[in-house]
Amino acid sequence: EAGVTQSPTHLIKTRGQQVTLRCSPISGHTSVYWYQQALGLGLQFLLWYDEGEERNRGNFPPRFSGRQFPNYSSELNVNALELEDSALYLCASKDRRTEKLFFGSGTQLSVL
Amino acid sequence: RKEVEQDPGPFNVPEGATVAFNCTYSNSASQSFFWYRQDCRKEPKLLMSVYSSGNEDGRFTAQLNRASQYISLLIRDSKLSDSATYLCVVNNYNQGGKLIFGQGTELSVKP
Repeated sequence: EAGVTQSPTHLIKTRGQQVTLRCSPISGHTSVYWYQQALGLGLQFLLWYDEGEERNRGNFPPRFSGRQFPNYSSELNVNALELEDSALYLCASKDRRTEKLFFGSGTQLSVL
Repeated sequence: RKEVEQDPGPFNVPEGATVAFNCTYSNSASQSFFWYRQDCRKEPKLLMSVYSSGNEDGRFTAQLNRASQYISLLIRDSKLSDSATYLCVVNNYNQGGKLIFGQGTELSVKP
C-alpha cells in the first residue's frame, strides 16, 4: 500500500513568489494535515482538511491557504513568499479509527 | 504557556542506559496522545500511542497522567539507533481535532 506522497521534494523560490505544494494521502484516509518545520524548530500546525472541508487552521497569515480535492488529495498554497517561509513542509494523513498520523517525506522550500 | 511542552534536550546517554522523556499539555480536554520519532530532517514516524492504563512496546513504555496533564516515554537499554528527536503529540477534540506537536526532545546515544 502506498504511503503519503508529497511533491515536489525540493523547491527554490524568491521573495514575493507563490508556491503550490501537493499531497496525496494514504488510500482510505480522508483527513490531511499540513505542518511547517523551520530548521531546528518543532512542527507548527498549519491546516487540517477533512472530507473536502477546512476544519482548522494554525496561527499563520492568510497568504497560507489550501484545499482538498474530492479524491482527498490536498494542496498548500503560499503567496507572497518571505524569507522566513523557508522550511520543511510536511503533509500527513490520518487514520480515522486510530487517529494516527502518517507523514509524507516533505517538501523542502527555500526562499532566497 | 505552550499547548504542548517537552523536556528541553539534548539528552546524551551511553548505550544501555535508561532514559525518560516528559511532555506536559495545557488543555485538560485533550483526549488522545502519541509519541513520534523524527530522524534528522526526515518525516516523523509513529512510535506508539499512549493509553490511559500505560502501554509497553518492547523497550519502550508510555504512560499518561491525566491529573497532572503529562505523558512520559521511557526507553530501556538504549541503542545507538535510538538516537533521534522524540515528539509528543496531543489531540484536543475541543479544538476541532487539531493535532499539536511538542517541540521535541533530542536523544543522542553514545557507544
